[in-house]
Amino acid sequence: ETGVTQSPTHLIKTRGQQVTLRCSSQSGHNTVSWYQQALGQGPQFIFQYYREEENGRGNFPPRFSGLQFPNYSSELNVNALELDDSALYLCASSLMSGSSTDTQYFGPGTRLTVL
Amino acid sequence: GQQVMQIPQYQHVQEGEDFTTYCNSSTTLSNIQWYKQRPGGHPVFLIQLVKSGEVKKQKRLTFQFGEAKKNSSLHITATQTTDVGTYFCAAVPNAGNNRKLIWGLGTSLAVNP
Repeated sequence: ETGVTQSPTHLIKTRGQQVTLRCSSQSGHNTVSWYQQALGQGPQFIFQYYREEENGRGNFPPRFSGLQFPNYSSELNVNALELDDSALYLCASSLMSGSSTDTQYFGPGTRLTVL
Repeated sequence: GQQVMQIPQYQHVQEGEDFTTYCNSSTTLSNIQWYKQRPGGHPVFLIQLVKSGEVKKQKRLTFQFGEAKKNSSLHITATQTTDVGTYFCAAVPNAGNNRKLIWGLGTSLAVNP
């Protein structure tokens, strides 16, 4: 186990609704990355938070937003849900320090279904 | 944007056969990581390669990083049914302070017992 937890594990929403997904990072880690993984696809980078600030964003619209808290846990918020938002949402925690490259430790994911 | 190409997309093997997946970039990489995702699971870190020409082994798995640091491979010797899953490479570009991982699309491995 990685020590990264996500909640909820499964979620069903309807189009137009809003959703908040949560992630608790591994102890000692200061960085959280969020990914969307559609069925049969690789993880698609949504954004990364480092020390409570957004530290890079992938090709996702502004209705995807996030937060990182002082304890380095994080939230992913998605507004105005669309059917194509149905996917596994993965949170990965890592330690960014100096020039080291960050191994990412993934949580179990939240399976979001939009009807 | 920068891409990492991973081939093949799918591979079916008989148990005991070998398996290799390849990851290629058009630009030099700072390092490359490999992950395995079991069906219904989440990606699990396997290894990180940093040095040009690096070769690392984990039991039946051999990981290589090319001399030019533009490609990498994962080779599994004598596959077992427990090797089933999707293997992803994830690369960090060499340029700038951006250390975001760029993921390949993965190679799905099926092993017939």
